[in-house]
Amino acid sequence: AQSVTQLGSHVSVSEGALVLLRCNYSSSVPPYLFWYVQYPNQGLQLLLKYTSAATLVKGINGFEAEFKKSETSFHLTKPSAHMSDAAEYFCAVSDRDGSEKLVFGKGTKLTVNP
Amino acid sequence: DSGVTQTPKHLITATGQRVTLRCSPRSGDLSVYWYQQSLDQGLQFLIQYYNGEERAKGNILERFSAQQFPDLHSELNLSSLELGDSALYFCASSVEGTNSYNEQFFGPGTRLTVL
Repeated sequence: AQSVTQLGSHVSVSEGALVLLRCNYSSSVPPYLFWYVQYPNQGLQLLLKYTSAATLVKGINGFEAEFKKSETSFHLTKPSAHMSDAAEYFCAVSDRDGSEKLVFGKGTKLTVNP
Repeated sequence: DSGVTQTPKHLITATGQRVTLRCSPRSGDLSVYWYQQSLDQGLQFLIQYYNGEERAKGNILERFSAQQFPDLHSELNLSSLELGDSALYFCASSVEGTNSYNEQFFGPGTRLTVL
């Protein structure tokens, strides 16, 4: 079964610093990969997704992620953190089997310090 | 605003009771998904409906059931509730249910508290 590992349940950065949130998946066949963000008391919003068109994927709010097959990773980055980026971030995978169910990682809570 | 609506926003009930959570997908979306978010289990897929038919099943308990109606809204029924069922229940929708890369749009969730 597919699984997703997010290293670090909490990440703290200073405003203006690089944001790096880690995600590794387990699959012999590269799945579709997604990053979602959840702001307090809200639902999840898609940041970006990888569907094999390009290994470097750009998303909303200045975020991007790079798919690395050799490392089975899909880490999320943003060059300069903003206070409004404070939220919980979820990496998710979807098998290429026609089933659209998402398997989520445990999430990483990002804190941005002034 | 994702366009997916869920009611009620909060629900407080007692053990052994039955509740119904309602979801209206985005206009035009045929597929509805239900997810449960709890502190110990994280975000887990429960079930998917596509145009009224069950498409995929996840870790959904036998005490839970769902359906999608002709107008495409969906209901998740939870019965014989236990303390451990306390969680945030999300509904999501997508345009169709046959491509794994389609974006799912999430509603704001229903927070269920079982006392």
